[in-house]
Amino acid sequence: AQKITQTQPGMFVQEKEAVTLDCTYDTSDQSYGLFWYKQPSSGEMIFLIYQGSYDEQNATEGRYSLNFQKARKSANLVISASQLGDSAMYFCAMREDNYGQNFVFGPGTRLSVLP
Amino acid sequence: DAGVIQSPRHEVTEMGQEVTLRCKPISGHDYLFWYRQTMMRGLELLIYFNNNVPIDDSGMPEDRFSAKMPNASFSTLKIQPSEPRDSAVYFCASSTGAGNQPQHFGDGTRLSIL
Repeated sequence: AQKITQTQPGMFVQEKEAVTLDCTYDTSDQSYGLFWYKQPSSGEMIFLIYQGSYDEQNATEGRYSLNFQKARKSANLVISASQLGDSAMYFCAMREDNYGQNFVFGPGTRLSVLP
Repeated sequence: DAGVIQSPRHEVTEMGQEVTLRCKPISGHDYLFWYRQTMMRGLELLIYFNNNVPIDDSGMPEDRFSAKMPNASFSTLKIQPSEPRDSAVYFCASSTGAGNQPQHFGDGTRLSIL
């Protein structure tokens, strides 16, 4: 079974608008962390934002925020005021405490920002 | 601060040749990870080290793949003999291991086996 599901293979958004990228996860651990990475066409993997399973507040980092719904096991990434440079692949990843340092990555969502 | 450094950035070689990929983690990071990324399989963890010791190599596809970490600042991933299906982007990443800390990735090595 997939541990990380990203149901949107591709998304389009107009420049300056907000966009939500979906991520659902499957774990029986009580303690885990969720991470989002951006991979532009140049290929590097850039860390964006982290949410811990015990964090009561949704994480925010600049224009990035997480809509964390623990009961629904979802951790959706919200990008506000989209910019052309946001066009990239976005990966959701999970680390479960009972599995050591293993990160499990989702299949990714390709975001295209339109001018 | 220097990030994770991988070399070479690109490698093109013929089937059957030995391939060696290199990685220098971020200083002070105790964990080092090797990943492979393909269109078909996405990002897969191959192996990871803690304090230079291999902890989980269950993702290593077969005996043709081997990884070493002789010291805290250097790791290699070797493929011998290489096959066309090994063509992929190989990433090295490192982390402190603290629960809320991300893995920091190198720029990757794009490997093409002809």
